[in-house]
Amino acid sequence: DADVTQTPRNRITKTGKRIMLECSQTKGHDRMYWYRQDPGLGLRLIYYSFDVKDINKGEISDGYSVSRQAQAKFSLSLESAIPNQTALYFCATSMRGYADTQYFGPGTRLTVL
Amino acid sequence: AQKITQTQPGMFVQEKEAVTLDCTYDTSDQSYGLFWYKQPSSGEMIFLIYQGSYDEQNATEGRYSLNFQKARKSANLVISASQLGDSAMYFCAMRASGSARQLTFGSGTQLTVLP
Repeated sequence: DADVTQTPRNRITKTGKRIMLECSQTKGHDRMYWYRQDPGLGLRLIYYSFDVKDINKGEISDGYSVSRQAQAKFSLSLESAIPNQTALYFCATSMRGYADTQYFGPGTRLTVL
Repeated sequence: AQKITQTQPGMFVQEKEAVTLDCTYDTSDQSYGLFWYKQPSSGEMIFLIYQGSYDEQNATEGRYSLNFQKARKSANLVISASQLGDSAMYFCAMRASGSARQLTFGSGTQLTVLP
């Protein structure tokens, strides 16, 4: 089984709809992140959380919100989806330490019509 | 602010040959980490290799090695004995010190391995 899972893997929705992307991990990591990737570009950080009670905005948090329900679960919400939020969304996890290497989930491909 | 530059949008290499993917970075921090990730056409991001700014030796992981030249602010990825399965997009990323701990990514290099 994958260490970092994301649901759904693909989603098509309409402008104005609320949508939630979920991330779960079995790696026992304390830190979790949400990124988005647009075609031909690298990843940009939306939100990150260092533990259950810690939530921080990243580079592009406008239009998004998150919830850290447990150490292993971190969800991303689009309150009112718009077409330019069409992207590939990644969840990542890391463990506090020297390298703090981030390990990514398989991604969720979101299309907003 | 941190910046990663990958100047090669696309690269081709013959199977079994070695290839170097370029990465330069810009940061004023003394403590930072450099990462390489592989993204195959299926879309997932796969961690390949890590180099810390205070590491004296270049990192190696199997066929991957990182040519770290601190004074030049470069962190090139070297793939030895290329395989067809190495065809993918490769991203260089940096994490600088501080509370954010976020990764700053380059724009990537698309590597194609030719049979």
